[in-house]
Amino acid sequence: GENVEQHPSTLSVQEGDSAVIKCTYSDSASNYFPWYKQELGKRPQLIIDIRSNVGEKKDQRIAVTLNKTAKHFSLHITETQPEDSAVYFCAASMGGWSGQGAQKLVFGQGTRLTINP
Amino acid sequence: DGGITQSPKYLFRKEGQNVTLSCEQNLNHDAMYWYRQDPGQGLRLIYYSQIVNDFQKGDIAEGYSVSREKKESFPLTVTSAQKNPTAFYLCASLAARTSYGYTFGSGTRLTVV
Repeated sequence: GENVEQHPSTLSVQEGDSAVIKCTYSDSASNYFPWYKQELGKRPQLIIDIRSNVGEKKDQRIAVTLNKTAKHFSLHITETQPEDSAVYFCAASMGGWSGQGAQKLVFGQGTRLTINP
Repeated sequence: DGGITQSPKYLFRKEGQNVTLSCEQNLNHDAMYWYRQDPGQGLRLIYYSQIVNDFQKGDIAEGYSVSREKKESFPLTVTSAQKNPTAFYLCASLAARTSYGYTFGSGTRLTVV
């Protein structure tokens, strides 16, 4: 089955600097890679996702890049702000409804991002 | 809560007791999921269901049971066989064939007392 490794486990950056979180996955059949942000005690919220037919996707200060050959994908946050402080999770799955049944997301271990003022 | 509701928000279980966590969605989503979250760890899949009256085990199903009698509801029972049940439990749902992203509930924090 799929296995997702996420690094680093904690990350501290100065406000205004950039933050990068990296994930690797094991199943070359995976084709959907979402990123979730989770504030303390709250539900995970989808912040950006990418499918395997795309190499990069941006949404304002957030971008995700995907390297299918190397089986890794990364989250980039630019011009970080205090409200970016949270735990971030990457995930991977075969998107949509495959012959094996419903999509099942496999999550990384999470990165606790702290933005220092 | 964004169309998917979990209750209660906090739950306390005594040793040897079964408890049931509720998950209800009004999004007309086909698939529903239960994940467990422990401190410093990612989300681990307990059970999932594609359609009514059908469900499959995830990676950590031992000590848990589910039912899917209605499309809207997917309750999770934490049985006494689950030796370390203290965790944050998240329910999620997904529409078939039209969406790639989960919608999560707000979670239930279960504590053994």
